Order: sequence, then C-alpha cells, then structure tokens
Amino acid sequence: EDQVTQSPEALRLQEGESSSLNCSYTVSGLRGLFWYRQDPGKGPEFLFTLYSAGEEKEKERLKATLTKKESFLHITAPKPEDSATYLCAVQLISAGGSYIPTFGRGTSLIVHP
Amino acid sequence: GAVVSQHPSRVICKSGTSVKIECRSLDFQATTMFWYRQFPKQSLMLMATSNEGSKATYEQGVEKDKFLINHASLTLSTLTVTSAHPEDSSFYICSATFGGSTEAFFGQGTRLTVV
Repeated sequence: EDQVTQSPEALRLQEGESSSLNCSYTVSGLRGLFWYRQDPGKGPEFLFTLYSAGEEKEKERLKATLTKKESFLHITAPKPEDSATYLCAVQLISAGGSYIPTFGRGTSLIVHP
Repeated sequence: GAVVSQHPSRVICKSGTSVKIECRSLDFQATTMFWYRQFPKQSLMLMATSNEGSKATYEQGVEKDKFLINHASLTLSTLTVTSAHPEDSSFYICSATFGGSTEAFFGQGTRLTVV
C-alpha cells in the first residue's frame, strides 16, 4: 500500500543548530514529491517540488533532496521564524488518471532563540 | 506562485444548519481542486477531488450527501457541509492545480466550529 512517513514527529532545535527532516515513501508511481510549510491555523505554503532521484533544491536556509526511497529537508542554522510544521506529500496517480496528493503526518519544528 | 483564496477563514454554526466554504483560484484556471480535512496535530486527509464541470470523486468513508462539492467554473469550487454536527468541527482546506501541473496550491483554510 502506498504511504508517506515523516520523521521525527517533533523536533526542537536551538537557533543555529542545523538538522534534517525525513520523508520516506513507498509508492508505485511517483509523480513528484512536495514539501510544504504549515503555520498554525493556516493552509500549507508550498516550498519545493522534487521529481527525480538526485535532485536538490534550495531556498534560504532550506535544502530538499530526493532519493528513490526518501527525501530530506535540511535546515541550516535555523531561526525561530522557521518554527512550523513541515509537510511532505507525494503525487499518486489514481485509477482514473488523476493526480492525488497524499500527505505525511508532518514534522513539528520548534526553534528556540 | 499561484494564489488560492478560501472563504470564510472562520465560521461558527449551529447544529443542523448548513455552511458553505468557497475556494477560488485568483490568477489561474484550476482544472482540479481538492478538499481536505485536518484535525489538530494530524495530517491533511483528502476528502474529495473535483474537476470543473463534473461530479466530485469522494474518498472512501466521506459522505457525499453530507459534504456537497460543486466545481461550477475553472476558478471556483464550493464545499457545503449539510446538517452540520459538532463532530464536523475541523479545519477544512482546499487546493488547486492547473493544466498538466502536478503542483498544488493551497487556500488559507477554514476553521469550522459547530455548536
């Protein structure tokens, strides 16, 4: 069964303490892996799309990488404003041919000053 | 990036009444819109997928007569929660894609409280 698993569930960092979030997936037809940031009470904000193993994308202190089994979101020297829940999603193709976004449970990141 | 606007952001309604949530794509034509439900500290659970001009496809366990979805135009989809009950209280989020893109853009979400 296709699924998306994110770890850790929660992560507390000190400001400046770099770390990585993991998203592992088991899908039969990957059509893109996405990272989103979600602040409390808000909808997810798009960060990155990765399509093929070996691909990397960067935005400010964030860098996303992709392998055939998992994706990492690296956070370098985080700041308190990076505190949020980070969601990983994969696009699966339904029997009807539509793209179906499927989300992991997310990693709740808190960065202490 | 593309902008998706969801309205209202918060709504409180009485048990037994219906409430409508709107999702608009502001700067693109959304060929497909998705409706999600999110419980506290949980991930987004897909409720249904709607394509403009056709009936929505509901996920297993989602009552189509309770959660009415209308995607009448390429820029607007609505979710109506009918005969709302307190257990329908949740955070509802829409997203939209366009053309052959696999990227989905999300609305701000709607916090529904049924009292």
